[in-house]
Amino acid sequence: DVKVTQSSRYLVKRTGEKVFLECVQDMDHENMFWYRQDPGLGLRLIYFSYDVKMKEKGDIPEGYSVSREKKERFSLILESASTNQTSMYLCASSPLDGNTGELFFGEGSRLTVL
Amino acid sequence: AQRVTQPEKLLSVFKGAPVELKCNYSYSGSPELFWYVQYSRQRLQLLLRHISRESIKGFTADLNKGETSFHLKKPFAQEEDSAMYYCAPSSSGYSTLTFGKGTMLLVSP
Repeated sequence: DVKVTQSSRYLVKRTGEKVFLECVQDMDHENMFWYRQDPGLGLRLIYFSYDVKMKEKGDIPEGYSVSREKKERFSLILESASTNQTSMYLCASSPLDGNTGELFFGEGSRLTVL
Repeated sequence: AQRVTQPEKLLSVFKGAPVELKCNYSYSGSPELFWYVQYSRQRLQLLLRHISRESIKGFTADLNKGETSFHLKKPFAQEEDSAMYYCAPSSSGYSTLTFGKGTMLLVSP
C-alpha cells in the first residue's frame, strides 16, 4: 500500500512565524505535490516536483516555497505565515512512468495562523 | 484557460434515489478525466477514471465531449456514499490534475 505521511496533523502558529510542513512517501514516486484545500474553493495546487531538487509553481505559489532534497521527502515552507494561509494542506505523490492519473494523498495538515 | 466547474456545492438525496453529480470542463486538447472522493475523516482518494470505463461502488461517469461534461452517476444512492466529490481533469500526461471546487453529497436514510 502506498503511504504518504504528513508529519503534523494540526499546527497553530502566529503571524510572521516560519512554518515547515513535511511530507514523506514510501513508494519511490517521482512526482510530489502540495495542495491547499479550502471550503468552497476545492483543492488548489501550490507547488509540485518531478524529481529531486526540482520544483514547479502551481496555481497559487505566492507566500510559499518548497524543498525536495531527497526523493521521498517534499517540504512546504511558509516563510512568514499570515492569517490567510490558515487552511488544510494536502501532500500527494504519483509515479512518473505509467501514470494513470492517480494521486496518493496524505491525511492532511490543518494549519491555523493566529 | 483550463477550467473545471462543479455547479452544485451540496447535493442532498434520500437513500435509494438516483444521484448525478455534475462536472463541466473547459480544456485545450483532450484531457483525461477523473473523479476523486473524500469520505469523512479519510484521505482523498481516486474513485474512478474515464479511461478505464469502469464502475466503482456503483458509480459510473460518461465523458461527453460535445457538452464537455463528465457527470458522475449512481442509480441508487446509499448512506455510505455521503462524501465530498471532486472532478479532476488532467493534462500534461496525467501528471498535473486540476480539481473542481467539489460537491458534498449527503444521503439521508
